[in-house]
Amino acid sequence: NAGVTQTPKFQVLKTGQSMTLQCAQDMNHNSMYWYRQDPGMGLRLIYYSASEGTTDKGEVPNGYNVSRLNKREFSLRLESAAPSQTSVYFCASGWGGITGELFFGEGSRLTVL
Amino acid sequence: GIQVEQSPPDLILQEGANSTLRCNFSDSVNNLQWFHQNPWGQLINLFYIPSGTKQNGRLSATTVATERYSLLYISSSQTTDSGVYFCARVPAGGSYIPTFGRGTSLIVHP
Repeated sequence: NAGVTQTPKFQVLKTGQSMTLQCAQDMNHNSMYWYRQDPGMGLRLIYYSASEGTTDKGEVPNGYNVSRLNKREFSLRLESAAPSQTSVYFCASGWGGITGELFFGEGSRLTVL
Repeated sequence: GIQVEQSPPDLILQEGANSTLRCNFSDSVNNLQWFHQNPWGQLINLFYIPSGTKQNGRLSATTVATERYSLLYISSSQTTDSGVYFCARVPAGGSYIPTFGRGTSLIVHP
């Protein structure tokens, strides 16, 4: 029972490079989320997908794009990485709506030089 | 404005001590979750607690939704309790998006 799986776990990029973080969940959840975690800032929502076929901006969407590929998968893309995007990225899934319980992946540590 | 506020921001304990962590939220909520982020960075679900009290071993949590706060109690703390504790709330209306407090950093010394 994998739960929420993120890849890669570590990545180093140069400024201007692009990359995609992959996330997959096997709990048949409707909603998926991408958060970033920076020291002292807690977790801030980048984008979310309330259900398959929909995506919406969160608190800090600039510089990112997402794709809800199917019910299981939700990817986060950095088109032109910047040092300000150095962070730990977490994918989460849940039933969404008023229940809202979240389950997290193990995180992806991204460094942009 | 601040939607989820956690206190204290930092806490240092000796092994065996008890502690209470607080989470205040500024609006009505549908549910409240507590997480523990261990020193390896993993986020572990502790409690899903829209209201009332739940207990799991040495940990328990109480949410009083009408007064807009939740408490996490850690009894007889152990070094493995070290890490950061986050609460997250889902608002009662709107987009039902979970939002997080900034966490309480706990260090338990042997």
